[in-house]
Amino acid sequence: ELKVEQNPLFLSMQEGKNYTIYCNYSTTSDRLYWYRQDPGKSLESLFVLLSNGAVKQEGRLMASLDTKARLSTLHITAAVHDLSATYFCAVEMSNAGNMLTFGGGTRLMVKP
Amino acid sequence: DGGITQSPKYLFRKEGQNVTLSCEQNLNHDAMYWYRQDPGQGLRLIYYSQIVNDFQKGDIAEGYSVSREKKESFPLTVTSAQKNPTAFYLCASGSWYEQYFGPGTRLTVT
Repeated sequence: ELKVEQNPLFLSMQEGKNYTIYCNYSTTSDRLYWYRQDPGKSLESLFVLLSNGAVKQEGRLMASLDTKARLSTLHITAAVHDLSATYFCAVEMSNAGNMLTFGGGTRLMVKP
Repeated sequence: DGGITQSPKYLFRKEGQNVTLSCEQNLNHDAMYWYRQDPGQGLRLIYYSQIVNDFQKGDIAEGYSVSREKKESFPLTVTSAQKNPTAFYLCASGSWYEQYFGPGTRLTVT
C-alpha cells in the first residue's frame, strides 16, 4: 500500500523567509504532483515531476524530485502573504489506473 | 471554455436519503475520478473510471456508487449506507500527464 507523508503539517512563517515542505512516499512511483488549495476551493495544479532529478520552478516556488530517496521537496523563496494556502503532494502509480495518493497537506500561513 | 463542472456547489440532505453529485468534463479525457476531502485532511479516492462503461473502486468506495455511460459524465451517488457522508467532494479528469479538478461539491447531511 502506497503511503504519502508530508511535513510539516502546519507552517507559519514571516514574509521574506525561505522554507521547504517535504513529501515522502513509500513505493516506486511514476509521477509526483504538487497542488495548492485555498480555503473552501478546489485544487490548483502547481507542478508535475516526471523523473528523477526533475526540478521545476514557478515564481517563488520550486519543486524537486529524488526518486531514489522517494522524496520531493517544495521550496518557498522569500515568502509573501499571497502564498498562504494548503499545499498537497500526490503520487501517481501507472499500474493502478493513474490514481493519485495524496499526502495530508501542509497548511502554510505567511505573516506580513 | 474547457474544464470540469460540478453541481451543485452546496448540497444539503437529510440522513437516509440518497443523493447524486454531478460531474461533467469537456476535456476529452478518458479517465475520471471522485475524491472525498474531510476538514484538514488530504483527498481520498472513492471511485475511478478509465473508460466508458467501466469503473473501479478506490480506497473508500463503501456507501457510494457511480456510473460512466458517457465519456463526459461521471456522476457519484452517495447512498444512505455511507455512514459519514458530510464532506467536500471533488471530481477530476485526467490525461497521461495531469489530473484536473472540478470546483467541488460540499455535501452536508443532517
